[in-house]
Amino acid sequence: KQEVTQIPAALSVPEGENLVLNCSFTDSAIYNLQWFRQDPGKGLTSLLLIQSSQREQTSGRLNASLDKSSGRSTLYIAASQPGDSATYLCAVRGPSNSGNTPLVFGKGTRLSVIA
Amino acid sequence: DTAVSQTPKYLVTQMGNDKSIKCEQNLGHDTMYWYKQDSKKFLKIMFSYNNKELIINETVPNRFSPKSPDKAHLNLHINSLELGDSAVYFCASSRQYSYGYTFGSGTRLTVV
Repeated sequence: KQEVTQIPAALSVPEGENLVLNCSFTDSAIYNLQWFRQDPGKGLTSLLLIQSSQREQTSGRLNASLDKSSGRSTLYIAASQPGDSATYLCAVRGPSNSGNTPLVFGKGTRLSVIA
Repeated sequence: DTAVSQTPKYLVTQMGNDKSIKCEQNLGHDTMYWYKQDSKKFLKIMFSYNNKELIINETVPNRFSPKSPDKAHLNLHINSLELGDSAVYFCASSRQYSYGYTFGSGTRLTVV
């Protein structure tokens, strides 16, 4: 059964720092991996989707990498801003040898960027 | 314009009542889902429907019954509500397999 772990659970950084959020998953036979952002009391906003055949995806100041064989992904945020404060969720779809499996989530990293 | 919309956004009700949450997507996706986010903010799959057919039914009390009248709608009916049912319920949709998910904004259910 697929399990997703995110480290750290919480992170506080000063504005302007570059930072890395980590995600690991137990079964490497995934279809894709998706990073989401959730603001307090709000829904999930998709940030980046990486297919199993891809190594990374970039959107603005965000870069997500995927090392499928080792079951790891990182989300890199450059030049952090207070508006980046939110919970970041990693989710994987798969394993791909089990049919139409649902997205499995980690417990998230709660990020605070201090002005 | 909303891709995945849920109603209501907030629902406060008494123990023992029956309530429904509605979800609609206008993305033309094949598959729809219900997720529950508990007090510790952990998101867990409850149900999945593909073209109106139930394909995933995790260990959820049978007081919860999903219904999909068509490919664009997936409703969640909950009977005999309990205090422990208080949570945020998210609807989502996707195409099959290698596509990403789109989530609704959630329904915050509070049972008193």
